[in-house]
Amino acid sequence: GENVEQHPSTLSVQEGDSAVIKCTYSDSASNYFPWYKQELGKGPQLIIDIRSNVGEKKDQRIAVTLNKTAKHFSLHITETQPEDSAVYFCAASGITGANNLFFGTGTRLTVIP
Amino acid sequence: NAGVTQTPKFQVLKTGQSMTLQCAQDMNHNSMYWYRQDPGMGLRLIYYSASEGTTDKGEVPNGYNVSRLNKREFSLRLESAAPSQTSVYFCASSPDRYNEQFFGPGTRLTVL
Repeated sequence: GENVEQHPSTLSVQEGDSAVIKCTYSDSASNYFPWYKQELGKGPQLIIDIRSNVGEKKDQRIAVTLNKTAKHFSLHITETQPEDSAVYFCAASGITGANNLFFGTGTRLTVIP
Repeated sequence: NAGVTQTPKFQVLKTGQSMTLQCAQDMNHNSMYWYRQDPGMGLRLIYYSASEGTTDKGEVPNGYNVSRLNKREFSLRLESAAPSQTSVYFCASSPDRYNEQFFGPGTRLTVL
């Protein structure tokens, strides 16, 4: 099956700085890569996703890049704010779709005011 | 819309006891999922239901059973709970299996 690795496990940034979280995957057939944000005591919530037919996607302060050749994808958050503090998970799914969604181990992001 | 709801929020069981975790969604989604979340291991898929009337095993199905009662409801049953099943359980749903999954608030289960 798919193996998704996520780094770093913890990340602290000053408010206004950028944050970057990186993930690698093993299955070259994977074609859907979502990013989820999980706040304390809540379920994960999708913040952005990308499919394998594009290399980059942006939504306001959040962007995701995908390098299919190297099998890695990254989440970029610019102008970080205290409310961005949470645990972020990357995931990858195989050719059969989101039934086979495999998650990374998470990154705890802390934005210091 | 309430989205995805789960009951109970917290549960403590003794080894060998059984229980059912309930999940319901009001978004008319076809696909539903059960995950467990353990520290340092992310979320792992236990079972899923691609559509009403079908269920399939995920990555970690041992010790669990599921029932897709109707389009709205997807339950997870532990027949004989073990300490290794101590975890936070999340239910999710999606319009179909190729799109965003919406997660419930989770059930924190402790097995003593």
